Amino acid sequence: GAVVSQHPSWVICKSGTSVKIECRSLDFQATTMFWYRQFPKQSLMLMATSNEGSKATYEQGVEKDKFLINHASLTLSTLTVTSAHPEDSSFYICSVLTSGRAYEQYFGPGTRLTVT
Amino acid sequence: AQRVTQPEKLLSVFKGAPVELKCNYSYSGSPELFWYVQYSRQRLQLLLRHISRESIKGFTADLNKGETSFHLKKPFAQEEDSAMYYCALRALRNTPLVFGKGTRLSVIA
Repeated sequence: GAVVSQHPSWVICKSGTSVKIECRSLDFQATTMFWYRQFPKQSLMLMATSNEGSKATYEQGVEKDKFLINHASLTLSTLTVTSAHPEDSSFYICSVLTSGRAYEQYFGPGTRLTVT
Repeated sequence: AQRVTQPEKLLSVFKGAPVELKCNYSYSGSPELFWYVQYSRQRLQLLLRHISRESIKGFTADLNKGETSFHLKKPFAQEEDSAMYYCALRALRNTPLVFGKGTRLSVIA
């Protein structure tokens, strides 16, 4: 499988500032990564598909100018929450899609964002 | 459109009792179905997938295309099974998983 890390694991920021969340695939070169958002006691909602070397594909209703995704290398994708507001407070989870015999998604531990 | 429905938010059972976590899906094609588990303070991890037809930690799930269901079952629940369980679907191998809202299983000693 793939080992996926996220940094930071927890961040608090003030309204109006921007926050960058990193997702790293430690042992697999990931062409495709996914970003999910999870509200308390709710399911994971897909935000976007991140493809290395190309623009991310955003799900309907997700503001691409607010949630900037950069997949600059096969081991790193970043999600930047710009001009954060309290309603952006959530748990953000990235996932790596492996290929080969079995296409599987491996998940990072998540990043809890609190906007004050 | 793809949709996964888990009707129960919380399921409490006694240790040793059978468990069934319900999952229904909506998709016009032939999707792949999965069950993921999230233990307290841990990341989401794959429990089982329908194409492998295996039993993991005593859990099994059978895909019923007629009823569009993929219920998760275990004959004898253990305390360590207490966790959040998510049913998920994907249309194609390289597309993202779509998750249900999850069911919290609580196994009482």
